[in-house]
Amino acid sequence: IAGITQAPTSQILAAGRRMTLRCTQDMRHNAMYWYRQDLGLGLRLIHYSNTAGTTGKGEVPDGYSVSRANTDDFPLTLASAVPSQTSVYFCASSDSMGGTDTQYFGPGTRLTVL
Amino acid sequence: GQNIDQPTEMTATEGAIVQINCTYQTSGFNGLFWYQQHAGEAPTFLSYNVLDGLEEKGRFSSFLSRSKGYSYLLLKELQMKDSASYLCAVRDSNYQLIWGAGTKLIIKP
Repeated sequence: IAGITQAPTSQILAAGRRMTLRCTQDMRHNAMYWYRQDLGLGLRLIHYSNTAGTTGKGEVPDGYSVSRANTDDFPLTLASAVPSQTSVYFCASSDSMGGTDTQYFGPGTRLTVL
Repeated sequence: GQNIDQPTEMTATEGAIVQINCTYQTSGFNGLFWYQQHAGEAPTFLSYNVLDGLEEKGRFSSFLSRSKGYSYLLLKELQMKDSASYLCAVRDSNYQLIWGAGTKLIIKP
């Protein structure tokens, strides 16, 4: 069982380019999340999905979009990348958003926007 | 606003005990989590507290006081592999996790 996979591992991107970060989980979890992690700051939620077909905005959604066409996949798209989006991006999943359900994280994507 | 505070960095000696504190102010409370994150890796789950008191799990214990908005993570018999960042997170009224910036723990021989 792979858990959660993310692709690419790292990417250098020119400003203004479109980029999609991929996330796939094989645990049949209902909820999925995208976070960004920047030095000196806590993980910040970008978007989340409670279940397939639904998405919601987190703390820092501007400049990002997501879709949840099925249970396993939760891609994050940067429509027109800007340097402030340089960060490490983590995808996570959990069985639900409540109770004792813990979030399991993918290995992360290190994105640099020049 | 919502806020999670924890020390930026701590240093401890191999074999010793260390306590990492976390204070929080959030809109609602639906549980507190501790995660471990080694440099360059993903966070991994350590503990969950929703009721006041101590939860023990091997060398690691976590304590919660909801009235004080306070938690700590206690690590005993420290090993070099415990060198990592420890992240405190609170699930708020919207069932979203609010994360602290993490405490970098340095273990010295």
